[in-house]
Amino acid sequence: DQQVKQNSPSLSVQEGRISILNCDYTNSMFDYFLWYKKYPAEGPTFLISISSIKDKNEDGRFTVFLNKSAKHLSLHIVPSQPGDSAVYFCAALYNFNKFYFGSGTKLNVKP
Amino acid sequence: SAVISQKPSRDICQRGTSLTIQCQVDSQVTMMFWYRQQPGQSLTLIATANQGSEATYESGFVIDKFPISRPNLTFSTLTVSNMSPEDSSIYLCSVEPWGPGYNEQFFGPGTRLTVL
Repeated sequence: DQQVKQNSPSLSVQEGRISILNCDYTNSMFDYFLWYKKYPAEGPTFLISISSIKDKNEDGRFTVFLNKSAKHLSLHIVPSQPGDSAVYFCAALYNFNKFYFGSGTKLNVKP
Repeated sequence: SAVISQKPSRDICQRGTSLTIQCQVDSQVTMMFWYRQQPGQSLTLIATANQGSEATYESGFVIDKFPISRPNLTFSTLTVSNMSPEDSSIYLCSVEPWGPGYNEQFFGPGTRLTVL
């Protein structure tokens, strides 16, 4: 059973505009949520995270929003740049120990 | 951060054979993890490998199929045994260099396995 879902396998955005990547989860006991970015032929790299007790975390161009009632997580990238083109994974942490990953969303930022 | 390397980066194997994937970390870590990324699916945890103890396998994964070694704090291997085309996937190792609770994992570049 997939507890973390990214329902959009791909997203295309114009450079300079906002990219919004979405993630849904089913387990209300998740403690922490993270976003990873993955370039081809490389392993995923940590991007930004949010604790389950918060609803927003911002780091430069990246903001993660958490809506616990909807069990929904989103990553906003503003402004989007061509170098942001990658696969983005959301992940949820259970009991601060076990990770559950979504299937990824491939973001293409067009110049 | 932790720098992780994996060997091989990719391989094409015949059905029924086995492949051992190596994972090397540039620092000593307690917990190492092995994941599988099948096309279009979630990154799935195979097992957790702690030095000096047996690996802990997730539901759906067994030691006979995916034996793991963890001889020291910087190295681990995952063997994919008696391979079938369904084992075609990217296999990644990862570490939590600061231990549980710090919430960040670092991943190796992955090993792309194709089974014919």
